Amino acid sequence: EVYFLESGGGSVQPGGSLRLSCAASASTFRGYALSWVRQAPGEGLEWVSGIGGSGSTINYADSVKGRFTISRDTLTNTVYLQMNRLRAEDTATYYCARGRSSMADRPDFDYWGQGTLVTVSS
Amino acid sequence: QSVLTQPPSASGTPGQRVTISCSGSSSSIGSNTVNWYQHLPGTAPKLVIYGNDQRPSGVPDRFSGSKSGTSASLAISGLQSEDEADYYCAAWDDSLNGALFGGGTKLTVL
Repeated sequence: EVYFLESGGGSVQPGGSLRLSCAASASTFRGYALSWVRQAPGEGLEWVSGIGGSGSTINYADSVKGRFTISRDTLTNTVYLQMNRLRAEDTATYYCARGRSSMADRPDFDYWGQGTLVTVSS
Repeated sequence: QSVLTQPPSASGTPGQRVTISCSGSSSSIGSNTVNWYQHLPGTAPKLVIYGNDQRPSGVPDRFSGSKSGTSASLAISGLQSEDEADYYCAAWDDSLNGALFGGGTKLTVL
C-alpha cells in the first residue's frame, strides 16, 4: 500500500514555529528522495526542500534557507519539516512528495501527500 | 535569477493537439532533465512526464514531452475535457543547487 499522511499545519503568528510531518508506508519511503513543495494561495508550485534517500544530501530553496530544516526518520518512515521564524509569505499549502529515485537533485515526484495548510498571520 | 518560463495560458478544442513550452537556462534545463505535472485545484499534483520524455505508468500516450537545449515542451494530443488543469514544468538548477518549477500554464479545453 502506498500512502503519505501529512500533519502539523495550522495558524501561527509571524516569527513563530511549526513542524510538519509526513508519514509514509515503508515501501513508499525507504531509499527514496523526499521533498516538500508548497503552493501559496493563487500562486504556483514552489519547491521548498529535499533530502536524499540516505539522508546525507539535503537542499533548501533560498527563500527558506536558515529558517527551515528537513529531516527523515527511517524507524517511523516519516519526513519532517521544521519551520522557524515564519513569515507571512510562508503561508501556503505544503505537500510532501517522493522522488522516483534516491537522488535529491531530481524533481520527478511520483507520489504526493494531500497537502497541509500553513497560515502565518497576526 | 534562475527561472523556468511558461506561458500563463493555453487552450484547444476537444481532439486538438496543444503544446506548452518551458524555457530555462544552461544551469537548469540545459544541464538536467525536465518533468511535467498536471494539477487540479484542491488535489495533489500528478507527474505526467519525467526524464524529459518518459511517461509514468497509467498516463495516457496522448501526453508526450521533449527537450532541446534550454527549452522543453509538453504536448497533449487528442485533447479531452478532463485534461483541463494547470501544468507545471520542473527541473533541477545546478547554480541554485535547488529545484525550480515553472510559473504554470492554465490549459482550457474550449
